[in-house]
Amino acid sequence: GQSLEQPSEVTAVEGAIVQINCTYQTSGFYGLSWYQQHDGGAPTFLSYNALDGLEETGRFSSFLSRSDSYGYLLLQELQMKDSASYFCAPSHGQNFVFGPGTRLSVLP
Amino acid sequence: DTEVTQTPKHLVMGMTNKKSLKCEQHMGHRAMYWYKQKAKKPPELMFVYSYEKLSINESVPSRFSPECPNSSLLNLHLHALQPEDSALYLCASSHQQGTNYGYTFGSGTRLTVV
Repeated sequence: GQSLEQPSEVTAVEGAIVQINCTYQTSGFYGLSWYQQHDGGAPTFLSYNALDGLEETGRFSSFLSRSDSYGYLLLQELQMKDSASYFCAPSHGQNFVFGPGTRLSVLP
Repeated sequence: DTEVTQTPKHLVMGMTNKKSLKCEQHMGHRAMYWYKQKAKKPPELMFVYSYEKLSINESVPSRFSPECPNSSLLNLHLHALQPEDSALYLCASSHQQGTNYGYTFGSGTRLTVV
């Protein structure tokens, strides 16, 4: 079977740092992806981790611990435009399954 | 061209209608996907095509029928849908199935079944 957990909602202020956690249990795991989706929009690929450790891409970083079946997305210098839903997507077999999503609200 | 184009953007159909959703990409991707997304829920995988062959059908009812005419096009034929099928239908593509480069999603077709 599979299980995926993310916090349902996170709120932070502009300029702050926020961490969105993801715990997963899937079969055939080989990597963890993250996607951003604004209301009414399409999911957009943010990052992918295949190995343990931190991957940095601009203001966004993603971390993976394979032994703990855990990852997180770190968003720095938050901006209003970062208000969106964020999905972790661990691999499951040959595909990726989307977590329940975390709705991030950035306040002025 | 780094886009996945979906048409139509909105569709309202009756339960006895037949309609089709279309998806096109010109990135040379060899895997294409159909996802269904209900409000405030994650995308749910419906079908996967890999090298133009159906690779995965996630137990989707037969009133949904996918078709991949060539490596750039993906269709989803709809027939005798139910109101609970109303959702955002997303098409996505990737270099190949199991890629680590991420999926590129289209903007979706918002379907309402009346």
